[in-house]
Amino acid sequence: DAKTTQPPSMDCAEGRAANLPCNHSTISGNEYVYWYRQIHSQGPQYIIHGLKNNETNEMASLIITEDRKSSTLILPHATLRDTAVYYCIASAGAGNNRKLIWGLGTSLAVNP
Amino acid sequence: DGGITQSPKYLFRKEGQNVTLSCEQNLNHDAMYWYRQDPGQGLRLIYYSQIVNDFQKGDIAEGYSVSREKKESFPLTVTSAQKNPTAFYLCASSNAETFDTQYFGPGTRLTVL
Repeated sequence: DAKTTQPPSMDCAEGRAANLPCNHSTISGNEYVYWYRQIHSQGPQYIIHGLKNNETNEMASLIITEDRKSSTLILPHATLRDTAVYYCIASAGAGNNRKLIWGLGTSLAVNP
Repeated sequence: DGGITQSPKYLFRKEGQNVTLSCEQNLNHDAMYWYRQDPGQGLRLIYYSQIVNDFQKGDIAEGYSVSREKKESFPLTVTSAQKNPTAFYLCASSNAETFDTQYFGPGTRLTVL
């Protein structure tokens, strides 16, 4: 199962882009990269996921390097409400044993 | 509104008592999950169920029990055998095609006195 590495904390100015990095150098070919975030004392919220290609949705963009060893989650115009812990997860297992392995994530502080 | 509900939000119990945490979803999802989160830590999987009347142990199942009698409900019982039950408990669900896209409830914060 691929393990991910994220910086423990980051700061970003409100209105600027927040770029959150994630290393997953041991990811296997069929493992997806998932991003979730957790606002303080709430349940995590799914953001986006990808396999090889870059992905974009209404919340964020996901850029995955060509060798798939790292990725970056981009919040294009961060707001104060984006202050949260962001988790990068490589999907683990297969078939009936699939489960997500959660690390400590990156605590993002968006400052006014 | 579709979603997952957990009740209660805060729960206090005396040591040695069993307690059951509720989790209900109206998303018509097949799979449901229970996680535990301790302060400053990531989520750890307790139990999961991919279909009614079937469930599997996660990484930290000892001291917990679950049932899945209905598709929309997946209650978790924290038994007196769980040595450190005070934690934030999160329930999630997902559909059968995209297990890893999970939708979470608001959580129950359990404090054992």
